[in-house]
Amino acid sequence: GDSVTQTEGQVTVSESKSLIINCTYSATSIAYPNLFWYVRYPGEGLQLLLKVITAGQKGSSRGFEATYNKETTSFHLQKASVQESDSAVYYCALSDPLNSGTYQRFGTGTKLQVVP
Amino acid sequence: EAAVTQSPRSKVAVTGGKVTLSCHQTNNHDYMYWYRQDTGHGLRLIHYSYVADSTEKGDIPDGYKASRPSQENFSLILELASLSQTAVYFCASSPGLGLNQDTQYFGPGTRLLVL
Repeated sequence: GDSVTQTEGQVTVSESKSLIINCTYSATSIAYPNLFWYVRYPGEGLQLLLKVITAGQKGSSRGFEATYNKETTSFHLQKASVQESDSAVYYCALSDPLNSGTYQRFGTGTKLQVVP
Repeated sequence: EAAVTQSPRSKVAVTGGKVTLSCHQTNNHDYMYWYRQDTGHGLRLIHYSYVADSTEKGDIPDGYKASRPSQENFSLILELASLSQTAVYFCASSPGLGLNQDTQYFGPGTRLLVL
C-alpha cells in the first residue's frame, strides 16, 4: 500500500542552526501523489505548512522549503536558520489527486525542539 | 476564530462505556474526517463524510460509528469503549473541490483514555 516514512521521532536543534527533517514516500497505487508538510503547535490542530503537486518543484513557507523528488521518492523539509517558535511536530503526508477528498496518508510525525 | 473545534478536549472513559466525540466546522467544507493517532503511528483514518446524513468507512472503522447530521457537525461514537481505543483523535475538514481540494483543516484533538 501507499505510505509515508519519517525516520526521526524527535530532533533537537540549536537556535539559528539549519534543519532537515526526512520524509520518504511509497506510492504504489498513485502515479503522481500530492505531497504535504503539516505542522502542529502545542495545543493546536495540524495546519498546512506547504504543499507541492508537481515532481521537481519546490514549495516554501515561513522559511521552510521542501522539494518533490520523484527519483528518490523524498520530500525532505529544510530550514536554514530555526527559531524557538519553530518548535512543533511536523507531519509529512501524501494524497491521491484523483481521489483527493478521501485518500491521505500521514507519516508518524517528527517533534522539533529548538533550544537556545 | 478556530474553524474546526472538537469537544471534549480530553476524556477518561470506562471499558464498555459509550463515548461520543464531537466536531464542528465553520469552513463550509463538504468533507469531514476522523483520525486517530497512536504513538509510533501516523494519523489513521477511521471514518469520513462528504455530505450530510452520509458517512463512509476509512481504513480502521472497526469499533467506531460516525454521524453527520449537518454539514457543520460530525461525531465519532464508541459504543463499547475498549482499552485499545486509548489515543488522540483528530477531526478535520476539506473542501473536496477546487485548487485546495485536498488540504485538510484540523481540530486541536481529543485525548481519550479508556480505563
